[in-house]
Amino acid sequence: ETGVTQSPTHLIKTRGQQVTLRCSSQSGHNTVSWYQQALGQGPQFIFQYYREEENGRGNFPPRFSGLQFPNYSSELNVNALELDDSALYLCASSFSTGEKLFFGSGTQLSVL
Amino acid sequence: QKEVEQNSGPLSVPEGAIASLNCTYSDRGSQSFFWYRQYSGKSPELIMFIYSNGDKEDGRFTAQLNKASQYVSLLIRDSQPSDSATYLCAVMGLTGANNLFFGTGTRLTVIP
Repeated sequence: ETGVTQSPTHLIKTRGQQVTLRCSSQSGHNTVSWYQQALGQGPQFIFQYYREEENGRGNFPPRFSGLQFPNYSSELNVNALELDDSALYLCASSFSTGEKLFFGSGTQLSVL
Repeated sequence: QKEVEQNSGPLSVPEGAIASLNCTYSDRGSQSFFWYRQYSGKSPELIMFIYSNGDKEDGRFTAQLNKASQYVSLLIRDSQPSDSATYLCAVMGLTGANNLFFGTGTRLTVIP
């Protein structure tokens, strides 16, 4: 166990809805990164939060947004869900940017 | 766009044999390399990281890095059925978020 916790573990939504995923980072870690992993693929970087600011973003549209709170926990919000958003969403925390990432157990999102 | 390529497998080895997993990357300036193990339905687990050319050993695992050839590998000695999983190679980006770029993974099956 890494100490990174995510909720919920599974979620089913319909196209067009909005979803919020949550992550608590490992103790002592101030950086949270979010990844999307489609079936049979490696994880793809969505964005990273460092000290409550977005610190970098992958090739994802603006309907993917996030927050980091003073306790370093984080949320991933996805608006206007599309079928292709169905994936495992992984949160990872690290001591700082550029450090080793430790992943939570993920949230499996299904969009119908 | 940085690329990380892995032989997708599947790779099957008998119990007790050496499993060899390979990865190439496109960004010659990359400095940090990671191997994650992912069991079916679970999140990635960090098993090895390597920053310098040469070999790094940790128990039954050896990571090998050759920056001139842009090649990183993972050897698993005395393979056990519990090693059966997908192995993800990841390379850290050089700027901004220093996020990880993942390959698609190699599925390893260790046959008892």
